[in-house]
Amino acid sequence: GQQLNQSPQSMFIQEGEDVSMNCTSSSIFNTWLWYKQDPGEGPVLLIALYKAGELTSNGRLTAQFGITRKDSFLNISASIPSDVGIYFCAGQLSGTYKYIFGTGTRLKVLA
Amino acid sequence: SAVISQKPSRDICQRGTSLTIQCQVDSQVTMMFWYRQQPGQSLTLIATANQGSEATYESGFVIDKFPISRPNLTFSTLTVSNMSPEDSSIYLCSALQGTNYGYTFGSGTRLTVV
Repeated sequence: GQQLNQSPQSMFIQEGEDVSMNCTSSSIFNTWLWYKQDPGEGPVLLIALYKAGELTSNGRLTAQFGITRKDSFLNISASIPSDVGIYFCAGQLSGTYKYIFGTGTRLKVLA
Repeated sequence: SAVISQKPSRDICQRGTSLTIQCQVDSQVTMMFWYRQQPGQSLTLIATANQGSEATYESGFVIDKFPISRPNLTFSTLTVSNMSPEDSSIYLCSALQGTNYGYTFGSGTRLTVV
């Protein structure tokens, strides 16, 4: 079935550093979403992207919808300890309201 | 965005028993979904909960094992039937308010089957 590959799988960074992660697929998606999940909680929506090439920011977070519609990128600037968590991308299957999720990027921030 | 309350938040169950998870949304939503997240893994869609009719299941998931109800636009239940240790997982309810909004998730039900 369709799969979203996220990289890197995990990251250890120093507080204050910038972070980049990406999500790729062999399929085209109409919408890309980025979520963050804290331990014991459900995922929380960070950014939604609706158009190829779109670049959207939410505070220190910036995400882009790839021009081919097969990939997306999330950047976090000046990381802080509360950025720790698992980040998931999700792509909307064409012609449906269903989303499939990426494999996740586990972020750890060292103070 | 909608606020989703899910309960129980966690449970430990004996194998062979069943558990029903409830999902309540604070506003009417277009669609509701159930996901499973196995430890350290990504989210896998179990089914779309359809209001007033049978749920639509994804490949690998069947109604006998995961019966779902959605009697109205704000409430749904997922039952995990005849549980085995392999069913130990986090079960997440999600809702879609409109076509231009992403999913909102409940905080999940952490199920352990012993």
